[in-house]
Amino acid sequence: GQQVMQIPQYQHVQEGEDFTTYCNSSTTLSNIQWYKQRPGGHPVFLIQLVKSGEVKKQKRLTFQFGEAKKNSSLHITATQTTDVGTYFCAGPVTKYGNKLVFGAGTILRVKS
Amino acid sequence: DTEVTQTPKHLVMGMTNKKSLKCEQHMGHRAMYWYKQKAKKPPELMFVYSYEKLSINESVPSRFSPECPNSSLLNLHLHALQPEDSALYLCASSLLTGTTLNEQFFGPGTRLTVL
Repeated sequence: GQQVMQIPQYQHVQEGEDFTTYCNSSTTLSNIQWYKQRPGGHPVFLIQLVKSGEVKKQKRLTFQFGEAKKNSSLHITATQTTDVGTYFCAGPVTKYGNKLVFGAGTILRVKS
Repeated sequence: DTEVTQTPKHLVMGMTNKKSLKCEQHMGHRAMYWYKQKAKKPPELMFVYSYEKLSINESVPSRFSPECPNSSLLNLHLHALQPEDSALYLCASSLLTGTTLNEQFFGPGTRLTVL
């Protein structure tokens, strides 16, 4: 079935260092979403990318969608302790418009 | 109001109990979802309701029974659960606009423990 692979599984960084998580789909995606889940919290929507090669920025966060629409990345510049959490990418299952398949997530820990 | 609420926050039940989880949203979303999430794992889709009708059932065991009484409410009825069903149960909602996948708004979840 359709899969979304996400790496790395864990990342521990020193505060101020950069962080990147990568997603790769087994099939072409019509779009991709990113969510953040704080420890003990619930997933919160960050952004949706739709166009091939799209790049979007939210303050220190930069999101990219690959040219082939099969991969995506989230880059955080100069991490802060508030960035701690698990970052998930999610793509639609082509057969069902409202079904999301989530990547395994990347757990980010920031040492201050 | 851009919030999805869920009750209860925590639930402990025995394997012979019957309980229900409740979810509510007032954003006018016509798609509502139940997810199950184990520790350090991504949310796993269980059910999708579109316009108050069950549109996706991810082969969930019948001991989980969803219900959508109206466009704002979503319930998950639990009966004869197993200890391995212990997890965080998340409700989510989203707009329905043709084939476009819209952002999902998640509730805070119900932390379920089955003894």
